[in-house]
Amino acid sequence: GEDVEQSLFLSVREGDSSVINCTYTDSSSTYLYWYKQEPGAGLQLLTYIFSNMDMKQDQRLTVLLNKKDKHLSLRIADTQTGDSAIYFCAEGLWSNGGALIFGKGTTLSVSS
Amino acid sequence: GAGVSQSPSNKVTEKGKDVELRCDPISGHTALYWYRQSLGQGLEFLIYFQGNSAPDKSGLPSDRFSAERTGGSVSTLTIQRTQQEDSAVYLCASSQGPTSGNTIYFGEGSWLTVV
Repeated sequence: GEDVEQSLFLSVREGDSSVINCTYTDSSSTYLYWYKQEPGAGLQLLTYIFSNMDMKQDQRLTVLLNKKDKHLSLRIADTQTGDSAIYFCAEGLWSNGGALIFGKGTTLSVSS
Repeated sequence: GAGVSQSPSNKVTEKGKDVELRCDPISGHTALYWYRQSLGQGLEFLIYFQGNSAPDKSGLPSDRFSAERTGGSVSTLTIQRTQQEDSAVYLCASSQGPTSGNTIYFGEGSWLTVV
């Protein structure tokens, strides 16, 4: 079945780059997503990448996709304390009307 | 509306009671999704609607869970005879449709506690 795997924790210092990694299993996924969830809040769509792309950059965020290895990463440049949150990787499946299958989330802790 | 709206935002209920959670999607979004987020369990996909139709209900955890959508807009998730393991955040999301996977937006969630 579908499965999305992420490491559970990442700790960085303010100003460093953060790289959050994700692997997925369904090769038919058309879109891959990164969502951010701050404590007590809902899910905020950060960025997404279409499966025929290798890279997408959006301000401090860079998404890299290795479709052969089914590996997705999110790089946050110049990480700030406000970036502390849980980051979810997700794949979109046409078989479920485009519903997203999520990883368990990576908790990013940024220290000053 | 401007975003996905869910109500109630918080609900505490006694074990055995029924609860109803409501989702009002973004105006014009035809696809609607329900998820459950339990502590330490990540996000579990429950059901999706395309218009008023739910093609696949197999993600619902048990027959105590049901969902409906009327008028292609508001959806209700009903949990009958609630159990403590039902305690979770229930998240609703909507999008323009399955061919527009890049526009899935989530509500703030309904936090359900069963005591």
